[in-house]
Amino acid sequence: GNSVTQMEGPVTLSEEAFLTINCTYTATGYPSLFWYVQYPGEGLQLLLKATKADDKGSNKGFEATYRKETTSFHLEKGSVQVSDSAVYFCALTLKTSYDKVIFGPGTSLSVIP
Amino acid sequence: NAGVTQTPKFQVLKTGQSMTLQCAQDMNHEYMSWYRQDPGMGLRLIHYSVGAGITDQGEVPNGYNVSRSTTEDFPLRLLLAAPSQTSVYFCASSPRQGAKTEAFFGQGTRLTVV
Repeated sequence: GNSVTQMEGPVTLSEEAFLTINCTYTATGYPSLFWYVQYPGEGLQLLLKATKADDKGSNKGFEATYRKETTSFHLEKGSVQVSDSAVYFCALTLKTSYDKVIFGPGTSLSVIP
Repeated sequence: NAGVTQTPKFQVLKTGQSMTLQCAQDMNHEYMSWYRQDPGMGLRLIHYSVGAGITDQGEVPNGYNVSRSTTEDFPLRLLLAAPSQTSVYFCASSPRQGAKTEAFFGQGTRLTVV
């Protein structure tokens, strides 16, 4: 079936460190890929997305590239800030699934000064 | 710009009680859904709706009912609350434009069943 796997953490980094959160997927057809972020006490919000192979999504210094050959969509940021502390969810949707979103388990990130 | 509004934000229920979690969106989105979030399990789809009058089951529908009488509202009903339903519940909506669009989420309802 369709699924998303991501490192669960928790991940603790010092401010200005480099961040990578791995995400791989299994899907029939050609999914669209998303990263959502959940700040403490809030709902999820879209961070970035990519809708076809080799697309790069970017927002707020975060980037992820849709790699069809490795079925991956790893999230990266060159220099994290304390304000980036949150839970990050990798997700996919399929055209055949009426926009149902399939989420990974989430990765908790804490950035310390 | 309200987006997706969920009420209440917090709720404590006794086992066997019933309640309704409210969800409303003001973006005229066709697609709405309910998820529950549990530690280590990400978000799991409970029920969804592709338009007014149309609902269907998701991954974990047991113990929950939904209805969609209007485009704006999509309430989730717990008929006989059980401790296993202790969770954080999120409502989401999206325009029905295929698989490339993002979902918009409410701020969640934290439910505890004792």
